[in-house]
Amino acid sequence: DARVTQTPRDKVTEMGQEVTMRCQPILGHNTVFWYRQTMMQGLELLAYFRNRAPLDDSGMPKDRFSAEMPDATLATLKIQPSEPRDSAVYFCASGQPNTEAFFGQGTRLTVV
Amino acid sequence: SQKIEQNSEALNIQEGKTATLTCNYTNYSPAYLQWYRQDPGRGPVFLLLIRENEKEKRKERLKVTFDTTLKQSLFHITASQPADSATYLCALSAPSNTGKLIFGQGTTLQVKP
Repeated sequence: DARVTQTPRDKVTEMGQEVTMRCQPILGHNTVFWYRQTMMQGLELLAYFRNRAPLDDSGMPKDRFSAEMPDATLATLKIQPSEPRDSAVYFCASGQPNTEAFFGQGTRLTVV
Repeated sequence: SQKIEQNSEALNIQEGKTATLTCNYTNYSPAYLQWYRQDPGRGPVFLLLIRENEKEKRKERLKVTFDTTLKQSLFHITASQPADSATYLCALSAPSNTGKLIFGQGTTLQVKP
């Protein structure tokens, strides 16, 4: 049963600390998305990749956020330094171009 | 500016009735539109995709329409059940056919027995 795997599921950290979230896309999918979900803003697209290359990261605060795909089986989203306003659920999704996206269970981040 | 609008107020209906959810968009020309379901504490799950040259798509009790002139999609659940209670999100490919997927805020549906 293929699925997108995100780790950790929950993360509580202190303001100023570095946070790294990981995602294992479904094998064979060449498009990977990172989204952030809050009650106020809904599901916001932070970045997306095609064949490991970033196509668009305009939704991401560049000064503190970075997204990479070191290889086809791993996508990472880093926040350094973290701030309380970064508290949200972060979702990774994968798919083939222009078809459905498969979402992971999300990482619930709390920055205190 | 570009916008995707879904009714932010929850939709409450009686079991057995048809639920109709709306997705309106401005300043987009999407090649396709998708609908997802999200349950509390879980990631969105894909339901249906409809392309710009399609007017209607059906899957079991679900029906989606896509009017590119009105810039609107309607999502219908017929013979609704309490298990259909969830948040429903529409998503557009934007800009057209790049694979970039932008989501609306979602509408929460509550089906009462």
